[in-house]
Amino acid sequence: EDQVTQSPEALRLQEGESSSLNCSYTVSGLRGLFWYRQDPGKGPEFLFTLYSAGEEKEKERLKATLTKKESFLHITAPKPEDSATYLCAVQGWTSGSRLTFGEGTQLTVNP
Amino acid sequence: DTAVSQTPKYLVTQMGNDKSIKCEQNLGHDTMYWYKQDSKKFLKIMFSYNNKELIINETVPNRFSPKSPDKAHLNLHINSLELGDSAVYFCASSSGTVNSPLHFGNGTRLTVT
Repeated sequence: EDQVTQSPEALRLQEGESSSLNCSYTVSGLRGLFWYRQDPGKGPEFLFTLYSAGEEKEKERLKATLTKKESFLHITAPKPEDSATYLCAVQGWTSGSRLTFGEGTQLTVNP
Repeated sequence: DTAVSQTPKYLVTQMGNDKSIKCEQNLGHDTMYWYKQDSKKFLKIMFSYNNKELIINETVPNRFSPKSPDKAHLNLHINSLELGDSAVYFCASSSGTVNSPLHFGNGTRLTVT
């Protein structure tokens, strides 16, 4: 069974203070690892898909990286508008189109 | 334009009632899903349809019945609502190809009293 664990559960940063969120996963053959952002009262919004170890993707202040056991979402010089819950999900080769999600990291960036 | 829309946004009802949530997507996707998000923000898949055919049916009580009249719509009907059904229900869609990301609606917050 695919499993995803995210840490920390919650993270408070000052504006401009860079940090990283962790996503550890267990999957029987990784087909893809997905990062989503969720704002309060909204559905998850797709950010990145990573397919293989060593891959990196960037979008504005966010950079996602992938190893064989975990993924990191690096946030460089965050702004208050980056405050959200960040969700990680995996899709395995035996999972069909099913995504298995972690519980998310709630990020708060204070001005 | 809203890509995945679901109605209603809020649903408050009493135990034992039957209710439905509707979902529509205008992305031209072939695959649609229902996910449940509990109070700890944990998203768990319930059902998936591909071109009106049920392809994923997780361990969900029989009181939950999805219906897909066409590939752009996926509705969720819940019979005999229980307190434990209170959660946020998200509809999503994808193109169904390998690694295609899911696009989510904004959720329906169901409260059973």
